[in-house]
Amino acid sequence: GAGVSQSPSNKVTEKGKDVELRCDPISGHTALYWYRQSLGQGLEFLIYFQGNSAPDKSGLPSDRFSAERTGGSVSTLTIQRTQQEDSAVYLCASSGGLALTGELFFGEGSRLTVL
Amino acid sequence: LAKTTQPISMDSYEGQEVNITCSHNNIATNDYITWYQQFPSQGPRFIIQGYKTKVTNEVASLFIPADRKSSTLSLPRVSLSDTAVYYCLLSSGNTPLVFGKGTRLSVIA
Repeated sequence: GAGVSQSPSNKVTEKGKDVELRCDPISGHTALYWYRQSLGQGLEFLIYFQGNSAPDKSGLPSDRFSAERTGGSVSTLTIQRTQQEDSAVYLCASSGGLALTGELFFGEGSRLTVL
Repeated sequence: LAKTTQPISMDSYEGQEVNITCSHNNIATNDYITWYQQFPSQGPRFIIQGYKTKVTNEVASLFIPADRKSSTLSLPRVSLSDTAVYYCLLSSGNTPLVFGKGTRLSVIA
């Protein structure tokens, strides 16, 4: 597709289970971001990949969260031992270049509910 | 990371011009000012970006004074479909974009 694709669109899981969220960025985009948005709140930065550079993981809330980007394209965000406070919409965005001049293109998000 | 401050919410009637002001007193020389719009259940969408003076596109205008310590997003003749959250961000080079809580605009018929 032409836009950023995320899957699953909705995920309900039990506390303590692991979840994987997937992001397919726009083809050719070198930058990829993960954000988290709780109900009624702003976006919380999680992690940023830019080309072949080491990712900026400064926003990951705990060591239960990790992300990887294979082959400079698809990215997977993994949350281990999920907690109820992890419930949120997880948004992925990609950009064709530096954030300075390139706009971010967001996917529709993956809504995670931890029971 | 530089911080921005904007009103939590605003109301407007249809057909009016809406101006949302963002404060960024600690803006750095290489920071650009970028605005995004987010509708419910959707990811944010880029609206406009500028460095200084005025920028205009088909959606909005962005006014930036000489000292760059604030900026104003102007939406002409809003309609109900402009009801959304508007985010003001500073972006500079190879650093991640940080979104605040934004301004929730409600357009009333």
